[in-house]
Amino acid sequence: KAGVTQTPRYLIKTRGQQVTLSCSPISGHRSVSWYQQTPGQGLQFLFEYFSETQRNKGNFPGRFSGRQFSNSRSEMNVSTLELGDSALYLCASKIGQDQETQYFGPGTRLLVL
Amino acid sequence: GDSVTQMEGPVTLSEEAFLTINCTYTATGYPSLFWYVQYPGEGLQLLLKATKADDKGSNKGFEATYRKETTSFHLEKGSVQVSDSAVYFCALSRAGAQKLVFGQGTRLTINP
Repeated sequence: KAGVTQTPRYLIKTRGQQVTLSCSPISGHRSVSWYQQTPGQGLQFLFEYFSETQRNKGNFPGRFSGRQFSNSRSEMNVSTLELGDSALYLCASKIGQDQETQYFGPGTRLLVL
Repeated sequence: GDSVTQMEGPVTLSEEAFLTINCTYTATGYPSLFWYVQYPGEGLQLLLKATKADDKGSNKGFEATYRKETTSFHLEKGSVQVSDSAVYFCALSRAGAQKLVFGQGTRLTINP
C-alpha cells in the first residue's frame, strides 16, 4: 500500500498570504490528523477529521482550518500568514478507531517571509 | 491535561553502545504509548508501540515496556548503529481524544 502523501513538500509564502496544503491518506484510512512541528513548540495537534467531520481541534487560532473530502483526502488552510506559521506540517492517517496507530506523511515545510 | 516528558538531549554515543531514552507520561485512564523516529528531512515513522500495562513493544532491536506503576515507557537498544542517528519522540494516545500527545523529542547522534 502506498503511504501517506503530502503536497507540496516545500512552500515559500509572504506574510498576509494564505496557503492550502493537501494530504492523501493510506487507502482505506478514514481518519486524517494534522500536526504542526516547530523547533520551539515541538509537535502540536491541529485537528482531526473522520468521514468529512472534524472530531477534534487543537489550540490554534481560527486562521487555521481544514476539511476532508468524501475520498478521505484532506486539506488544511492557513489564512493571513504570520512569520510564526513557518513550520513543518505533518499529516497522519489511521483507519478510524480511537487508539490505533497513526501513520505520518513526509510533511510540508512552509516558510513565511 | 495529558503530557509526555522525555529526557533532554542531545544524546551522543559511540557505535555499539547501550541506549536508553527516558519517557514518562501523565494521562487519565489507560493510554496507548508510542515511540516515533524522525530522520533528517523526513516525517515521523512508527518505531514501536504498547497498548496496555506490562506490554513490551519491540522493533529493529529497540524495546520499550509500558510501566503503569511508574508511568514510564523508556526506549532501549543494546547496541546502537550510526544509522540510528535521528530524533526520537515518545507519544501517547488516550481513548476518546483522537490525537497524539508528543514529548519534546530527543536528538540521538551515533559516532562510528
